[in-house]
Amino acid sequence: GAVVSQHPSRVICKSGTSVKIECRSLDFQATTMFWYRQFPKKSLMLMATSNEGSKATYEQGVEKDKFLINHASLTLSTLTVTSAHPEDSSFYICSASRTKETQYFGPGTRLLVL
Amino acid sequence: AQKVTQAQTEISVVEKEDVTLDCVYETRDTTYYLFWYKQPPSGELVFLIRRNSFDEQNEISGRYSWNFQKSTSSFNFTITASQVVDSAVYFCALSEFTGNQFYFGTGTSLTVIP
Repeated sequence: GAVVSQHPSRVICKSGTSVKIECRSLDFQATTMFWYRQFPKKSLMLMATSNEGSKATYEQGVEKDKFLINHASLTLSTLTVTSAHPEDSSFYICSASRTKETQYFGPGTRLLVL
Repeated sequence: AQKVTQAQTEISVVEKEDVTLDCVYETRDTTYYLFWYKQPPSGELVFLIRRNSFDEQNEISGRYSWNFQKSTSSFNFTITASQVVDSAVYFCALSEFTGNQFYFGTGTSLTVIP
C-alpha cells in the first residue's frame, strides 16, 4: 500500500525559532500533497495544498509567510513554521495523493513551542 | 455549511456492545467518495474504508460494517461486539470529484469501557 512518512514525529522548540517538517511519499509519486493542522479534540483543518513545482494554495486564514510550504519533488513536501510561537503548538499532518479520490496520510508531527 | 456532519461528539459503550457512528454529508457532485478513518491516541489516521457514490452496497469487514444511504446522504459505521482497542476518534470524510480536497467531519470520540 501507499506509505507516507513524516519527520520529525515530535519536536520541541523555543519561541522564535523555525521548524521544518518533512513529508515523504515512500512508494509512490504524489502529484499533490496536503498539510493539515489539528488542535486537541478537534478535527483536521486543511492549511494548504501543494503541487510539485508550483506554489502552494493556502486556505483562508492561513498565513503563507508563517507556514512556508515547499514541494520540491513528487515525493517530498516540507512545511516550515517560521518564528514559531506557543500558539503554533499543534499536531501537523500531511497527506499525499496520486489520484483525485484518495489521500494517504502521514503519521503526524507534534510541535510544542515553549 | 458543514459538508460532513458527525453529530455524536462522544460515545461510551460497554465492551461487547454494538455501536453505530453516524455520518451525514452534503454535496452537489454526483461523483464523490466517502471515507472513514480511525485516529487512536497516537494520532496517526488509520484508513478504514472508501466508498464511491455509485456503489451503495453495504460493506462488512470483520466486526465493522458500513451502511451507505444516498437517499438520506448518510454513511454510518457500525462496530459489532466492541472491544477496548476500538477506543479512538473516528472521522468521516468526503471527497468530491470536482475538487481534490477532503472534507472531514468533527469526529466522534468512542470510548469502550471494559
